[in-house]
Amino acid sequence: NAGVTQTPKFQVLKTGQSMTLQCAQDMNHEYMSWYRQDPGMGLRLIHYSVGAGITDQGEVPNGYNVSRSTTEDFPLRLLSAAPSQTSVYFCASSSLAGAYNEQFFGPGTRLTVL
Amino acid sequence: SQQGEEDPQALSIQEGENATMNCSYKTSINNLQWYRQNSGRGLVHLILIRSNEREKHSGRLRVTLDTSKKSSSLLITASRAADTASYFCATGSNYGQNFVFGPGTRLSVLP
Repeated sequence: NAGVTQTPKFQVLKTGQSMTLQCAQDMNHEYMSWYRQDPGMGLRLIHYSVGAGITDQGEVPNGYNVSRSTTEDFPLRLLSAAPSQTSVYFCASSSLAGAYNEQFFGPGTRLTVL
Repeated sequence: SQQGEEDPQALSIQEGENATMNCSYKTSINNLQWYRQNSGRGLVHLILIRSNEREKHSGRLRVTLDTSKKSSSLLITASRAADTASYFCATGSNYGQNFVFGPGTRLSVLP
C-alpha cells in the first residue's frame, strides 16, 4: 500500500513551458486535491475532485488545470509556467467528504520556474 | 483570505516541557484538524475535532475547540526532540471548498 505518490520530486522549468505533475493514490479515495505551499504560508488549495469526472476550483486555480479520469489519478497541469508558480506542490486524498476526514498527503513536488 | 491563523509563529522549548499552539479561525466550521510537517516532507494528520466536540486526546496530544471564540489549541505534553516540526491547523466547512490551512507554528524542541 503506497498511499499517495507524486512525481517528479523536483522540477525546474523555464518561463512559458508546460508540464504535468502526477499524483496517484491506491486507497480508493474519492476525494483528491492539490495544494501549493509557499514559504511562511500554509497550504493553499488549487483544485480538488470529489470523484472521477468531477473537479472544481480551490482558492488559487489560475494557471493550473486538472482532470480526473480515474479514481486513482489526479494530474495537475501547468499550462504556461511563470516564476510566481515556484512552490512546493502537495497532492492529498481522503475518503468521501474530505472536509470531514483526515487527508493523506504525498511527499510533494518542488518546482522552480526560472 | 486564510481561515486559520496559528499562534505563535515559532516556539522553542526544552525536551520534557509542554508545548501549546493556538489556532483562530473566522467562519463557521464542521471540523478542525491539526497536521504536522517535518522539514521537506508532506503533512501528517494528527487529530480531528468536530464542531460539537470540546476536547479530544490522542497519546501526548490534547486538542480543545471553542466555537464561541472560534479558536482551538494543541497541547503536546512531555515534548521530545522528534516533535520538532511545523504544526498546522486546518478548518473544514463545505465539501473541501473551504478546507483551509493556517501558516503554521514552527516548534523546536531542544535536547
